[in-house]
Amino acid sequence: QVQLVQSGAEVKRPGASVKVSCKASGYTFTTLNMHWVRRAPGQGLEWMGWIAPNSGVTNYPQKFQGRVTMTRDMSITTVYMELSNLRSDDTAVYYCTRAPEAWFDPWGQGTLVTVSS
Amino acid sequence: QSALTQPASVSGSPGQSITISCTGTSSDVGGYNYVSWYQQHPDKVPKLMIYDVSRRPSGVSNRFSGSKSGNTASLTISGLQAEDEADYYCCSYRSGDFYVFGTGTMVTVL
Repeated sequence: QVQLVQSGAEVKRPGASVKVSCKASGYTFTTLNMHWVRRAPGQGLEWMGWIAPNSGVTNYPQKFQGRVTMTRDMSITTVYMELSNLRSDDTAVYYCTRAPEAWFDPWGQGTLVTVSS
Repeated sequence: QSALTQPASVSGSPGQSITISCTGTSSDVGGYNYVSWYQQHPDKVPKLMIYDVSRRPSGVSNRFSGSKSGNTASLTISGLQAEDEADYYCCSYRSGDFYVFGTGTMVTVL
């Protein structure tokens, strides 16, 4: 079955960077785009962008441009999301999720990133 | 990049039907049949409930249905059950190969 397994929780200082991984299995990794979505405490889901694993092409919303970088390693069927210059309002659970077409299924288990001084 | 607009909360009694609205613009909800809906229980992973406006993934109860009119999409839950109590989010494709989520709706079963 399709599985997305993410890396563990992180605690970072303001101004630092965090890199979250998402290992995919159970399907052909290069055929479907991977997206990242986050949910901050008390807030809703927020879309952060996507990466095409076959080409490495990415697309980020304006809010995250310049701060987010999505990459992939095809040899280990893993995508990464790196967020830099962290602020306290970046504290959130970060999810990777596969996009068969214009929807998201399944989702990784989530990675809690806490930004605190 | 503004979020789609959903009511903050909707409630209903067991067995009743409720509808959650999701309002966007002609650049997202109104322009494409690419609206999906997600259910998220506290501390759980979001679950796909509806895709392409009205299609239901296998395994999702037929009590869940979706529709769209103009710039507003809707999710209807019929025969409301206690297990339906959760947060619900719409999501739409937006021109430029972007995506946008709704503000989220908390469903309470009275």
